[in-house]
Amino acid sequence: LAKTTQPISMDSYEGQEVNITCSHNNIATNDYITWYQQFPSQGPRFIIQGYKTKVTNEVASLFIPADRKSSTLSLPRVSLSDTAVYYCLVGGSGGGNKLTFGTGTQLKVEL
Amino acid sequence: DTEVTQTPKHLVMGMTNKKSLKCEQHMGHRAMYWYKQKAKKPPELMFVYSYEKLSINESVPSRFSPECPNSSLLNLHLHALQPEDSALYLCASSQNQGSNIQYFGAGTRLSVL
Repeated sequence: LAKTTQPISMDSYEGQEVNITCSHNNIATNDYITWYQQFPSQGPRFIIQGYKTKVTNEVASLFIPADRKSSTLSLPRVSLSDTAVYYCLVGGSGGGNKLTFGTGTQLKVEL
Repeated sequence: DTEVTQTPKHLVMGMTNKKSLKCEQHMGHRAMYWYKQKAKKPPELMFVYSYEKLSINESVPSRFSPECPNSSLLNLHLHALQPEDSALYLCASSQNQGSNIQYFGAGTRLSVL
């Protein structure tokens, strides 16, 4: 599985856009990029998944450049409730796949 | 319904006790997982079940014994645990083992005295 590198922590204020970048230089051809959010004492929650270019849903956007060696999770207009750990995972969608969580990014949103 | 239910939410046990963690999902998912998460660390995969059969065991000590009675239920039997086994135990499920999109329960907070 491709290893991922993310910033350990980020700080932001309510109403701002937050961009969390994940580096995955060894991504394989059939690997997808998946992001999870985790609040304290809860299980991770799936946010978004993409393979290339841009994916958007009601929660976030995911930007993936052509070389796919990195990706950026964009959270528009964050609020206090977005304070959480965000994990970037890279892996194939084929059989036998297992999720390997990296260290994640602790996002802290303040007033 | 995208819910994975884990019971109990909290568990305190002694090193000689036998206890079980339970996990249930009704999404028709055919893959189920156990993860262990220590404080301020990412979740670590322990076991994977695919179509009710053990598919992956990440070299977990035998004091942890998983069981999948049917496609909706997943148990983790605990026996002779050590204090360092204290952690948040998370259950997850996905449509099949190959999916990167997993649905997690809220976890069981385990304390071993």
